[in-house]
Amino acid sequence: SSELTQDPAVSVALGQTVRITCQGDSLRSYYASWYQQKPGQAPILVIYGKNNRPSGIPDRFSGSSSGNTASLTITGAQAEDEADYYCNSRDSSGILVVFGGGTKLTVL
Amino acid sequence: EVQLVESGGGLIPPGRSLRLSCSASGFTFDDYAMHWVRQAPGKGLEWVASISWNSNNIRYADSVEGRFTISRDNAKNSLFVQMNSLRPEDTALYYCGKDASTVATPMIDSWGQGTLVTVSS
Repeated sequence: SSELTQDPAVSVALGQTVRITCQGDSLRSYYASWYQQKPGQAPILVIYGKNNRPSGIPDRFSGSSSGNTASLTITGAQAEDEADYYCNSRDSSGILVVFGGGTKLTVL
Repeated sequence: EVQLVESGGGLIPPGRSLRLSCSASGFTFDDYAMHWVRQAPGKGLEWVASISWNSNNIRYADSVEGRFTISRDNAKNSLFVQMNSLRPEDTALYYCGKDASTVATPMIDSWGQGTLVTVSS
């Protein structure tokens, strides 16, 4: 089992706001990075650091963190946002790298 | 444009060895740490191993520690993973990834398309 816990599935109505969370003790010390993966494609980085977006990522994607929980928020979800989302950070020792189990986002 | 191209995957019996390669271009390879990440069919992402820019800092997931060896050749812009004593549970699509982080949190900002390893008799 992963040291970063994500809800397996979340759904959102088109145009509404959705928050995807990632919980883990290491998140009290380290930021999470967030990745989007669509079927048959490699993951892409969507959020890193405190709340940073790589170039080309729409500004409807944002990140936040509080205590042991990191969150990815999509404000005004679009059909093309339907995908699996993974968080990534250090493990509780701060030495190894871990991924959350992933959240499947469905846009209704 | 950053490009990462993995190769070396295939069908291999349990207990055998395989070496994967990742050819990098479009960036200064020896400026960045690199990772191997795998994804079993229908499953989530699993970090496998990472290597610092100068190979001085190498880490492995517990699931592969002692069986896999990550390495890099900065002169050839290449990343490798030697996988020994392969098990059926090592069956996965193996991605290489470039870590652009300047702090402790990993940040894989570029990924290859992956190479499939199938461990089966």
